Amino acid sequence: GAGVSQSPRYKVAKRGQDVALRCDPISGHVSLFWYQQALGQGPEFLTYFQNEAQLDKSGLPSDRFFAERPEGSVSTLKIQRTQQEDSAVYLCASSLDPSGRAGANVLTFGAGSRLTVL
Amino acid sequence: AQKITQTQPGMFVQEKEAVTLDCTYDTSDQSYGLFWYKQPSSGEMIFLIYQGSYDEQNATEGRYSLNFQKARKSANLVISASQLGDSAMYFCAMRDFYNQGGKLIFGQGTELSVKP
Repeated sequence: GAGVSQSPRYKVAKRGQDVALRCDPISGHVSLFWYQQALGQGPEFLTYFQNEAQLDKSGLPSDRFFAERPEGSVSTLKIQRTQQEDSAVYLCASSLDPSGRAGANVLTFGAGSRLTVL
Repeated sequence: AQKITQTQPGMFVQEKEAVTLDCTYDTSDQSYGLFWYKQPSSGEMIFLIYQGSYDEQNATEGRYSLNFQKARKSANLVISASQLGDSAMYFCAMRDFYNQGGKLIFGQGTELSVKP
C-alpha cells in the first residue's frame, strides 16, 4: 500500500480483556517496528522485526505483550489481560532496508491505534 | 545508553517568523543519525529531516534546517517562515548506525503553536 496502515484506530477494552492490534506495512519494507506512546510523551520502542524474524523485543514491558509477523508482512501486537497502564497509542513503523545508510532508512509511521483500558 | 532531551515542552511563534526547537543527545557511539519528526493532532508521525553524524554540512529540507553542533551534542530544528499548519508536536530522535534494525530513540517532544 501507499502507507503504513493500522487497525483498529480506536479500541476500548475492559481491564482483563485481550486485544490485538494490526499493522500493514508499506509493501516491500523489510523492517517493522512497534512503539508505545503514552499521552504527552514521546514514542517508546517495543519490538522490531526484520522480515518474519523478531530481532529485538527488549522494549516489551511484560510477558503480556506479544508480537508476531509470520509471513514477513502484516504484523500483530497482542496484549493479554489488559491493564489500565496499557492505555496508550500504539504506533507501527516500517522501513525499507536496515543494511543501507541510515539516511536511506527512514521510518514511515502509521496513524496509530489508540487503546483505552477501562 | 542513548538519550534524547528536548527541554521545551511548548513553544509559541508568530506566523511567518522563524523558530528554533532544541534537541540535545547523549551517546557513546561515533556513528549515528539524528531525525526530526512532526506529529499533528491526527497522530501520524511525519519525517522532516535527517542528519548523519559524519555529515559536514547542516541538513536542509525546504523550510526546515538542522543546526548540528557535534561537539555540543545538539541538533536543533529551525523552521523558517512559520505557517499555521506547522502547529504540531515535534520529536527529535536518534539511531545508532550499527544497532541492528536501526530503532529510533525519541525525545519527549515540543508542542509548537503558530499564532496568526
